[in-house]
Amino acid sequence: AQSVTQPDIHITVSEGASLELRCNYSYGATPYLFWYVQSPGQGLQLLLKYFSGDTLVQGIKGFEAEFKRSQSSFNLRKPSVHWSDAAEYFCAGNFGNEKLTFGTGTRLTIIP
Amino acid sequence: NAGVTQTPKFQVLKTGQSMTLQCAQDMNHEYMSWYRQDPGMGLRLIHYSVGAGITDQGEVPNGYNVSRSTTEDFPLRLLSAAPSQTSVYFCASTMGGGGPYEQYFGPGTRLTVT
Repeated sequence: AQSVTQPDIHITVSEGASLELRCNYSYGATPYLFWYVQSPGQGLQLLLKYFSGDTLVQGIKGFEAEFKRSQSSFNLRKPSVHWSDAAEYFCAGNFGNEKLTFGTGTRLTIIP
Repeated sequence: NAGVTQTPKFQVLKTGQSMTLQCAQDMNHEYMSWYRQDPGMGLRLIHYSVGAGITDQGEVPNGYNVSRSTTEDFPLRLLSAAPSQTSVYFCASTMGGGGPYEQYFGPGTRLTVT
């Protein structure tokens, strides 16, 4: 069955440190992949997406993600986090139909 | 451009009551969907629509009805509210399903059923 997995429920990072959030998918072909961010009490905002071509994708707010077919992964990275990056992050995939499948999310806490 | 709007922002219902969550978009998107968000479960698709007059079930459709009479509006109806329907509900719209299209989300409706 097609699925998206985010293995980390909660991550704590110091301000200024680098960040990597993990995302794995299960699908027999290459899906369309997305990262969304949700600030407290808000809706979801698209950070970046991958659908073909260059496997390193740049997004908004200084985020990037790398698609690795061999590992079925689409990890999100940022070289230096800011306190305003504290939020919940969702990886999502589209597996050739009309539906978007979300992972369970990773909550990011930033400590000074 | 208001994007995707949802009303109300908060709602408290008693078990057995019915209500309609409103969703509207002004981007002329064909595809609209409803999700519920519960702690530790991400967003789960309730119902979706690929155009006016066409709706289909998602992952968790039981207890909910939808209709799509216009491109702009996609209301979600709770027929007889149950405590298990306590959740945050998000409406989303996009140019098309099944492709690399961004979904635009509304601000959400926080529903509590007592």
